[in-house]
Amino acid sequence: AQSVTQLGSHVSVSEGALVLLRCNYSSSVPPYLFWYVQYPNQGLQLLLKYTSAATLVKGINGFEAEFKKSETSFHLTKPSAHMSDAAEYFCAVSAENYGGSQGNLIFGKGTKLSVKP
Amino acid sequence: DAGITQSPRHKVTETGTPVTLRCHQTENHRYMYWYRQDPGHGLRLIHYSYGVKDTDKGEVSDGYSVSRSKTEDFLLTLESATSSQTSVYFCAISETGGLSQPQHFGDGTRLSIL
Repeated sequence: AQSVTQLGSHVSVSEGALVLLRCNYSSSVPPYLFWYVQYPNQGLQLLLKYTSAATLVKGINGFEAEFKKSETSFHLTKPSAHMSDAAEYFCAVSAENYGGSQGNLIFGKGTKLSVKP
Repeated sequence: DAGITQSPRHKVTETGTPVTLRCHQTENHRYMYWYRQDPGHGLRLIHYSYGVKDTDKGEVSDGYSVSRSKTEDFLLTLESATSSQTSVYFCAISETGGLSQPQHFGDGTRLSIL
């Protein structure tokens, strides 16, 4: 069964510093992986997705993530944090439902990013 | 932004009362989902639909029922609300439901059961 672990429920960085949010997955099949961002009182917005085309995936707002099969990881990074990046970030993996051709998302528990001025 | 509207956005009700949450989409997507979000748990799938009148259970379906009579509407019903169902509920849609397809989310309904 697929699962996702996000290391660190809270991460705090200074403005301009590197952002690194960690995600490890477990999957018995080649995974499809997603990062979402949630701003206060809003729904989840897709940042980027990995679908096996390239191991380094670029997303919106300057974020990117690298798929490392050997480490079963899909960590999210941004070279320079901005105050507007303060939000909660969720990693998710597609899980097969009956028949195997369609999937539901399994989410990690989220990492809340704070950015200090 | 995907055209997803959840209603109501906020609701306070009492234990034992029935509650229905509505999700309306204008994207004509086949798949629709209901999640609940609780601190420390991330999002957990309650039910999903893969077409009109076609629904299936998710991870935390006990105490919830759903209906989909039209492509654009997906209703979540708590037949007899309990305090443990206090949560933020999100609707999501996906064009085909395929493994590589992202889901797009509404802005949520904050439900408090006293």
